[in-house]
Amino acid sequence: QTVVTQEPSFSVSPGGTVTLTCGLSSGSVSTSYYPSWYQQTPGQAPRTLIHSTSTRSSGVPDRFSGSILGNKGALTITGAQADDDGDYYCALYLGSGISVFGGGTKLTVL
Amino acid sequence: QVQLVESGGGVVQPGRSLRLSCAASGFTFSSFGIHWVRQAPGKGLEWVAVIQYDGRSKFYADSVKGRFTISRDNSKNTLYLQMDSLRAEDTAVYFCARSISPWAPPPDYWGQGTLVTVSS
Repeated sequence: QTVVTQEPSFSVSPGGTVTLTCGLSSGSVSTSYYPSWYQQTPGQAPRTLIHSTSTRSSGVPDRFSGSILGNKGALTITGAQADDDGDYYCALYLGSGISVFGGGTKLTVL
Repeated sequence: QVQLVESGGGVVQPGRSLRLSCAASGFTFSSFGIHWVRQAPGKGLEWVAVIQYDGRSKFYADSVKGRFTISRDNSKNTLYLQMDSLRAEDTAVYFCARSISPWAPPPDYWGQGTLVTVSS
């Protein structure tokens, strides 16, 4: 069974830069997996930040960017702000109709 | 603007059935695949199922295969999730979410979710 891996937690200072990653238990992430990134704050629905590796969703500020770094998908936040605090999930398309979410990264901005 | 509104959640006993609906507006519903994603209390997101734009292809997570059925009515711009043989571990907020394409890649737009509680 394929597992999508994410860092459980990360901390960044206001104004700083942080890169979250999205890997596979076996194999490398490529654009074929359509890596996507979602932000969720307590009690709210997920909000899409990035889809298809690096396409920013409507209304998402350009300080959020997506890429492939090495063998993982990556979300970089440049100039972190207090309201970036929350949970970040990645999703990968494994093919044959199946998508899988990572376990999420709890990001703290302090 | 794109809107997805889920309904049909509630409290149901183990072994019983429930049907969720997702009403879509603001886009050409029949041109996009649609997902169901759930989130158990205090847990992460779990992909449940997807149906492609024309309803011909449907795919499920192993955890719900054989118990849940995804369907759509493109004439009503509505998505459904029929949930049978419900278990306590199916307790979650269920979100519908639009794929980025007519097929199955991960979603972009999300609804606000509907809570399903399976309890005796």
